[in-house]
Amino acid sequence: DAAVTQKPRYLIKMKGQEAEMKCIPEKGHTAVFWYQQKQSKELKFLIYFQNQQPLDQIDMVKERFSAVCPSSSLCSLGIRTCEAEDSALYLCSSSQRQGANTEVFFGKGTRLTVV
Amino acid sequence: GEQVEQRPPHLSVPEGDSAVIICTYTDSATAYFYWYKQEPGAGLQLLMSVFSNVDRKEEQGLTVLLNKKDKQLSLNLTAAHPGDSAVYFCAVTNAYKVIFGKGTHLHVLP
Repeated sequence: DAAVTQKPRYLIKMKGQEAEMKCIPEKGHTAVFWYQQKQSKELKFLIYFQNQQPLDQIDMVKERFSAVCPSSSLCSLGIRTCEAEDSALYLCSSSQRQGANTEVFFGKGTRLTVV
Repeated sequence: GEQVEQRPPHLSVPEGDSAVIICTYTDSATAYFYWYKQEPGAGLQLLMSVFSNVDRKEEQGLTVLLNKKDKQLSLNLTAAHPGDSAVYFCAVTNAYKVIFGKGTHLHVLP
């Protein structure tokens, strides 16, 4: 079974603090995605990496987040200054390559609570 | 871009009855389709993924139907039990993104 690993599973930060969460994509996968989900509602796409390069991201990520994939085996998503609205489940997924004919696998997520 | 509509948003069924959730998508080039289950406070649990060359797939009391002509994907839980109570999401892969439906809150009444 494919395995995308996310760490930590739970993260608690105070408003104004920095937060960082990590994702280890499935071995051999070159496409990595981050999603945000609030309160079991729909998942919001945040950013997409292909071969460690960010190719698409929403404005919120550009303005307040820091996301990198320093290697093919590790990506991270950071929030520079946490706000209450950032409390959510952050899901990382990976796939073997870009394209519609590729199955995507998700990690179990990092649940961030901002207090 | 691709849009995914999921219905119903809420569904209550008695234990033992079947539950059907339907999603419609817009892009006929969509290739991969997924159903996920999410229990309270948990991440996404993949129930089934189907490639576009599959019309029907059955596993462990779940049936996924893909109607490419109508661009419709459905999930049928036969003989639902209280442990099936959760939020269910359909999703499709379009280009490089996974596009999700808004979810269906399923409540199986004991």
